[in-house]
Amino acid sequence: QVQLQESGPGLVKPSETLSLTCSVSDYSISSGYYWGWIRQPPGMGPEWIGNIYHGGSTYYSPSLKSRVAISVDTSKNQFSLKLSSVTAADTAVYYCAREMTPGSFDYWGQGALVTVSS
Amino acid sequence: QSALTQPASVSGSPGQSITISCTGTSSDVGGYNYVSWYQQHPGKAPKLMIYDVTKRPSGVSTRFYGSKSGNTASLTISGLQAEDEADYYCSSYTSSSTYVFGTGAKVTVL
Repeated sequence: QVQLQESGPGLVKPSETLSLTCSVSDYSISSGYYWGWIRQPPGMGPEWIGNIYHGGSTYYSPSLKSRVAISVDTSKNQFSLKLSSVTAADTAVYYCAREMTPGSFDYWGQGALVTVSS
Repeated sequence: QSALTQPASVSGSPGQSITISCTGTSSDVGGYNYVSWYQQHPGKAPKLMIYDVTKRPSGVSTRFYGSKSGNTASLTISGLQAEDEADYYCSSYTSSSTYVFGTGAKVTVL
């Protein structure tokens, strides 16, 4: 059973950079699949942020592309999200997930609530 | 990229069948067979119920059925049960090599 776990600060100040890491267990990222980040603002639907392949190729949401960076560390079996210049609109639960086929996420982390506030 | 359009709410009595629609464009739903459906209970992560329009992951009940016609995908739940009460979201691959989610439908079991 593949397991994913998000970690990182739960509170980020406006204009600063949000950083989260997803640790993957019971499956080697190097074995394949894309790995993605999805966020969900309180009371709203999910929003796809972007994804990364173990080789490092990435795709990002056009609306976030200028502020997002996703990276992978296969030695630690982790991948990470950085979102710069955050505002209150970036407050959300952030999920990491494995992408089984294009757009289908079969394993998810439990989610990490990140609040942007001074 | 605009969110896919879903009805805000769908309801049915136990044992009945309901269908949730998901309308997009030829650049997403209509253009690719990469539509997925997720079930989300309060405070929980979404759970994949249908992928690639019609396929069910291992362990998902056969009461869940996915289909597509033109720019609209649908999720049908047959034999509605109390545990099916949740929010349901569709998602689709797009022509920009990105993904878009639906607006979400709240399913209520009467």
